[in-house]
Amino acid sequence: GEDVEQSLFLSVREGDSSVINCTYTDSSSTYLYWYKQEPGAGLQLLTYIFSNMDMKQDQRLTVLLNKKDKHLSLRIADTQTGDSAIYFCAESWEGTALIFGKGTTLSVSS
Amino acid sequence: NAGVMQNPRHLVRRRGQEARLRCSPMKGHSHVYWYRQLPEEGLKFMVYLQKENIIDESGMPKERFSAEFPKEGPSILRIQQVVRGDSAAYFCASSPGQSFNSPLHFGNGTRLTVT
Repeated sequence: GEDVEQSLFLSVREGDSSVINCTYTDSSSTYLYWYKQEPGAGLQLLTYIFSNMDMKQDQRLTVLLNKKDKHLSLRIADTQTGDSAIYFCAESWEGTALIFGKGTTLSVSS
Repeated sequence: NAGVMQNPRHLVRRRGQEARLRCSPMKGHSHVYWYRQLPEEGLKFMVYLQKENIIDESGMPKERFSAEFPKEGPSILRIQQVVRGDSAAYFCASSPGQSFNSPLHFGNGTRLTVT
């Protein structure tokens, strides 16, 4: 099946860490992605992880993949007000286009 | 290196009219994808094209919607006889290869409003 689930909202204070969670259903997923969408804009690729990896770190972003539980998370360290946006998790495997979740709206208060 | 270019950014059509949405992929990208985003929803895949070929149109409504990616020029998503339910943001993405091993780069979308 093809289904990517995300919680809809997350609210954090500036300087805290944010953790956005995602579950997917297809164990054959090859790549898993995180995209960011700011108001009125398109989707910006933040990072992606290959399914044979457990973790990927890129500056303030840390992606954790638990393949057994089909769980993906995005941690943003030292969250800033500029991080306020909608974050989409997406999966893909050979022969398919990206399948997206509905997005998590991150709200950062100062 | 220009990104994925979509135009127009905003398009208003009356019910029954035609909407034509254009997408120029990033330089060097030969794979184009169209997605639709309804309010409060994620992105839903519509169609995947390579130059002159439709590879996967499993997400396209069977009627009124068509897409092309000619040898020369942008990809076009065409919606005939628009209805209010077609109001949405339509995003185009491109990649140099198949999406499962090539991240998609998205345009800023065309926001279609049907009155």
